[in-house]
Amino acid sequence: SAVISQKPSRDICQRGTSLTIQCQVDSQVTMMFWYRQQPGQSLTLIATANQGSEATYESGFVIDKFPISRPNLTFSTLTVSNLSPEDSSIYLCSVEDLTANNEQFFGPGTRLTVL
Amino acid sequence: DAKTTQPNSMESNEEEPVHLPCNHSTISGTDYIHWYRQLPSQGPEYVIHGLTSNVNNRMASLAIAEDRKSSTLILHRATLRDAAVYYCILWDLNSGGSNYKLTFGKGTLLTVNP
Repeated sequence: SAVISQKPSRDICQRGTSLTIQCQVDSQVTMMFWYRQQPGQSLTLIATANQGSEATYESGFVIDKFPISRPNLTFSTLTVSNLSPEDSSIYLCSVEDLTANNEQFFGPGTRLTVL
Repeated sequence: DAKTTQPNSMESNEEEPVHLPCNHSTISGTDYIHWYRQLPSQGPEYVIHGLTSNVNNRMASLAIAEDRKSSTLILHRATLRDAAVYYCILWDLNSGGSNYKLTFGKGTLLTVNP
């Protein structure tokens, strides 16, 4: 199984600023995913991040707002730009492990509050 | 994406079995049925998955209807630590690439009473 850590675990930010969230995996993986979970809601996929290529964004999410980096096979960052209170959510990264039941492993999440 | 329907919430008593239903009437032949759960303040975790046959693992059992239009996640003896939101998700084996993504519905909030 893959072990995933995220930094920071939580943050409080002012509107108009940006927050960069880091996701570190203890093994090399091809695909990493970034999800958003708004208060009381289910998870929504933001984008898929593959090493060596541009991230693939889901409908309703754009690169200018959620730029993603994937410099190697164990690390990715998600930046939430130009923050507004509506961006207050939990952001989670996940990775696929095709050798283990095709399951995905999730990080603990980053809780963002925008004032 | 094929959709799933789950009850919003269910309640159980500790040490009793729990049957969590999921309807997926539009399932395709290559859709796997995956179950994840999300404990409070944690990311989702994999529980079990299956295609056609019933499946058992250390966490739970998955019973799949013969026509595959519904399935049931079975926790044989619920504990307080099983209180979580349980998600039933269809995943297409042939999707590949970025479609390894999971599409989460609202899930079922399971409450376990002591």
